[in-house]
Parts: sequence; C-alpha cells; structure tokens
Amino acid sequence: AQSVTQLDSHVSVSEGTPVLLRCNYSSSYSPSLFWYVQHPNKGLQLLLKYTSAATLVKGINGFEAEFKKSETSFHLTKPSAHMSDAAEYFCVVSDLNSGYALNFGKGTSLLVTP
Amino acid sequence: NAGVTQTPKFQVLKTGQSMTLQCAQDMNHNSMYWYRQDPGMGLRLIYYSASEGTTDKGEVPNGYNVSRLNKREFSLRLESAAPSQTSVYFCASSAWTGFDNEQFFGPGTRLTVL
Repeated sequence: AQSVTQLDSHVSVSEGTPVLLRCNYSSSYSPSLFWYVQHPNKGLQLLLKYTSAATLVKGINGFEAEFKKSETSFHLTKPSAHMSDAAEYFCVVSDLNSGYALNFGKGTSLLVTP
Repeated sequence: NAGVTQTPKFQVLKTGQSMTLQCAQDMNHNSMYWYRQDPGMGLRLIYYSASEGTTDKGEVPNGYNVSRLNKREFSLRLESAAPSQTSVYFCASSAWTGFDNEQFFGPGTRLTVL
C-alpha cells in the first residue's frame, strides 16, 4: 500500500524568501504524485502533478516539485514567497495498486509573514 | 462553468437526525468522490462512483450512503448523524478513475453534529 508523509505540519517564511515543503512517499509501484493547495474555507486546487514524465514538475503560481526516486521524495518549492501563498498544502500519492484512491498527507500549513 | 458545486455550505444537526449532502459537476466527468476532512488527518475517501450507476466504498464508509443520481450528481446521506461525523465534506470529480487523473474539488460542506 502507498502512503505519504509530510515532514512539517507548519512552515513559516518571510515574504520574498524561498519556500520548501517536504514530502516523502512510499509506493510498491511507480506512483503518481500531486500537490494540492487549500486556501482558508475553500476547496482544494491542484498545484502540480508528476506522472512518470519529467522528474522536475512545474506548477501554477511559480511552484515546482522534483521527483527523486532514490530518496522517495517529492518536495515542493518556490523561489520567492508571496503573501497569497499562505494556505494548507497537501502532498498526495496514488499508484496502480490504489486505482481510484488518492492518499493524502496530513497537510502543511504555510504562513507567510511581511 | 461552475465546476463542482456542493449544497449546503454549512449545516448543524442533532444526534440521530438525517440529512443529504448534494454535489453536482458540469465538466461531464465520469467519476465522482466524497471525502471528509478532519483536523490533522488530511482527506479520507468515504465513497466513490467510477461511473454512472456504480458506487463503491472508500476508506471510511461506515454511517454513510451514497447515490449516483445521474452523471452530474452524486449525493451523500447520513441516516442517523453522530458527533463523530462532525467534519468538512468535500465532493470531487475526475474524467475517469485512474491513478494519474486529476480530481477537481468542490468548496466543501461544514457539518456539525451536536
């Protein structure tokens, strides 16, 4: 069975500084990996996804993530944080074994300070 | 396009009461899902419908029933609400069930059971 671990429940950065949200996964098969963002009192929006193509994936709003099979990681980064990036971020894994099921991490709350 | 819509946005129930959460999508998607989100738990799948006319249990189906009314609509019913069902409920849809397929989420229903 697949699983995902988000290594930080809270991350705080200053506006204009880099963002790093860490995610490790386990999967018996070649996984698909996603990052979703949830702004307060809103639904979830897909930031980016990896599905066995390029290992460096670019998403919306300047976010990107790199799939590292040897480290079983899929960390989310952004060079310069903006106040509007403050939200909850979920790392999600799915694989052939799970079929329909998205397996969500517990989330990382990103705080951006002026 | 409205995407995925959910009604109601908020609901307060007493223990033992019943209610139905409604979900509709206008993207002509085949697959629809119901999740619950609890603090510190990420999202957990309750039920899903791979296609019109089919429904299957997810990770946490106990205490819930679903109906795929047509291709657009997928409802979630609580027959006898319990305080443990206090949660935020999200409906999602995707073009089909597949491990690399993006799911689109509604804005959520915040349910409190007293």
